[in-house]
Amino acid sequence: DVKVTQSSRYLVKRTGEKVFLECVQDMDHENMFWYRQDPGLGLRLIYFSYDVKMKEKGDIPEGYSVSREKKERFSLILESASTNQTSMYLCASPSGEAGTMNTEAFFGQGTRLTVV
Amino acid sequence: QKEVEQNSGPLSVPEGAIASLNCTYSDRGSQSFFWYRQYSGKSPELIMSIYSNGDKEDGRFTAQLNKASQYVSLLIRDSQPSDSATYLCAVNRGNFGNEKLTFGTGTRLTIIP
Repeated sequence: DVKVTQSSRYLVKRTGEKVFLECVQDMDHENMFWYRQDPGLGLRLIYFSYDVKMKEKGDIPEGYSVSREKKERFSLILESASTNQTSMYLCASPSGEAGTMNTEAFFGQGTRLTVV
Repeated sequence: QKEVEQNSGPLSVPEGAIASLNCTYSDRGSQSFFWYRQYSGKSPELIMSIYSNGDKEDGRFTAQLNKASQYVSLLIRDSQPSDSATYLCAVNRGNFGNEKLTFGTGTRLTIIP
């Protein structure tokens, strides 16, 4: 079974803190994505990566950055957390060739982040 | 216009009936279409994928694709209470080698016993 593991299930951080959300996949996939999910807005793409040290902005990258130093690990960074970043964060890893989205995406269990 | 649009529901269907979920997309170049199911508090999981015009059946689920109308649907036959969940339509977009997976906002389905 493909496993996508996110480091924390629940996280509470203070406004202005730097926050790291970690995602690890164990199936040697090229592609890794970060989404946030909010009621009424669905899953929105923050950043994605097709390869080590490669990153691309998604639809809502403002306030976020990412790091992919190793193939299996994709980190989402909130440089200075704000209350409007309170959300469920989901990491996904589609199988298939780098840069192609024609196969199943496997999701992590999600991290519910609350910024107070 | 949103990239992927779904009716948010809620959609209520009696047990044993057919549930019909619809999705439209804006990128005519999209080639891959997916339906994910998400139970409350859980992550999305893939239930169907479809790539060609027409119908694709898998057990009680049938996905339908009409690229000319930019429309994809999911039918659930003999609906069961365990089918109660949010159903997310997902579509690939972008150029080959630089694709993204875009989701609709989801349709919340409730099966009434």
